[in-house]
Amino acid sequence: KAGVTQTPRYLIKTRGQQVTLSCSPISGHRSVSWYQQTPGQGLQFLFEYFSETQRNKGNFPGRFSGRQFSNSRSEMNVSTLELGDSALYLCASSLQLAGGNEQFFGPGTRLTVL
Amino acid sequence: AQSVTQLDSQVPVFEEAPVELRCNYSSSVSVYLFWYVQYPNQGLQLLLKYLSGSTLVESINGFEAEFNKSQTSFHLRKPSVHISDTAEYFCAVRDGTGNQFYFGTGTSLTVIP
Repeated sequence: KAGVTQTPRYLIKTRGQQVTLSCSPISGHRSVSWYQQTPGQGLQFLFEYFSETQRNKGNFPGRFSGRQFSNSRSEMNVSTLELGDSALYLCASSLQLAGGNEQFFGPGTRLTVL
Repeated sequence: AQSVTQLDSQVPVFEEAPVELRCNYSSSVSVYLFWYVQYPNQGLQLLLKYLSGSTLVESINGFEAEFNKSQTSFHLRKPSVHISDTAEYFCAVRDGTGNQFYFGTGTSLTVIP
């Protein structure tokens, strides 16, 4: 099976712009979670989608949003970018809601905000 | 909400020496515990997990971790490390009440030849 794929791998934007990141889960996986990884904060949970519905949400401002499509692919959108949004954004998929299940991570999208 | 503490941000260790990476979490209410490893320029990979049953869990590459409920800890150990173990290690907790993963800030393990 192909692993979790994320596009693009690298992205450079300027403050105030918006960005959309894409994640394709492993075939058959229905849950997709998003994380922000920064050197100082580690991994911070953004949100989880299951069957096209947001099931869990972390403590991020409303500028961060997401959605999931019927084929389980997910997109994450960040509007009005700030310098502090520079990070590695990781997507993870699992068969069901990621309770005790293993999450499989993609390679991430490196976002740089100038 | 849970919090996960990895006390050591960097751990240098000589090849073939033992290592312990520490992880403590805040709440002992029903939890699932995980260790993930991240090699340079790669995503996270699951190393091992505790869901229930035996408190000692092992990975295929020689790592083990022990769930200690009274101390709310899930330390990762390996009796003899290899150069290839150099990576970032993340401890994660998911509690039974919510469905959110909480990650520690990571421990960078560097194995010195």
